[in-house]
Amino acid sequence: EAGVAQSPRYKIIEKRQSVAFWCNPISGHATLYWYQQILGQGPKLLIQFQNNGVVDDSQLPKDRFSAERLKGVDSTLKIQPAKLEDSAVYLCASSSSVRGTGVYTFGSGTRLTVV
Amino acid sequence: DAKTTQPNSMESNEEEPVHLPCNHSTISGTDYIHWYRQLPSQGPEYVIHGLTSNVNNRMASLAIAEDRKSSTLILHRATLRDAAVYYCILSVKAAGNKLTFGGGTRVLVKP
Repeated sequence: EAGVAQSPRYKIIEKRQSVAFWCNPISGHATLYWYQQILGQGPKLLIQFQNNGVVDDSQLPKDRFSAERLKGVDSTLKIQPAKLEDSAVYLCASSSSVRGTGVYTFGSGTRLTVV
Repeated sequence: DAKTTQPNSMESNEEEPVHLPCNHSTISGTDYIHWYRQLPSQGPEYVIHGLTSNVNNRMASLAIAEDRKSSTLILHRATLRDAAVYYCILSVKAAGNKLTFGGGTRVLVKP
């Protein structure tokens, strides 16, 4: 089974620039999550999709972050404009379970550095 | 969010068992206990999960206290590849079973 694919692996941008991350979940997984992991901390959930609908975006800074999951498969996370404090690893995960105890499969993440 | 408490770090010798404790005193009857681990420069990886009974798989064992207020992840023979941050997480049914990560326990395995 192919894993969760994320790209790019690394990205360096200047503050106030925009950036986008892409995620391809495991085939057939209905639920997709984006997490932000700041160095030395555990991952923090930003947004949860169920198919192509948003289930929870309460932790997403909506003034600068946006995410979409067209056709219920791939997803993109965008930051515009970026701030220094957005430097982190952005992790995508998918799960086959809607409201059960589904196991999450994570991608390797995109490491963003804002300078 | 349902909270878990774990030690910040633990050390173990290679080929010895590792017992990672986790306290979750506010757990409710429908909350599952999950363990994930994160190796350097990788995303978290599922290890094991359980509800009430002890669980075993090829990676580890999960021992759950009778009152469910604590649990222990057991790595039977630590290898250098087991050096990682281990997260104990409750999936709360009332919150849609989202996984909310804490700080985890950093495990160091000495040769």
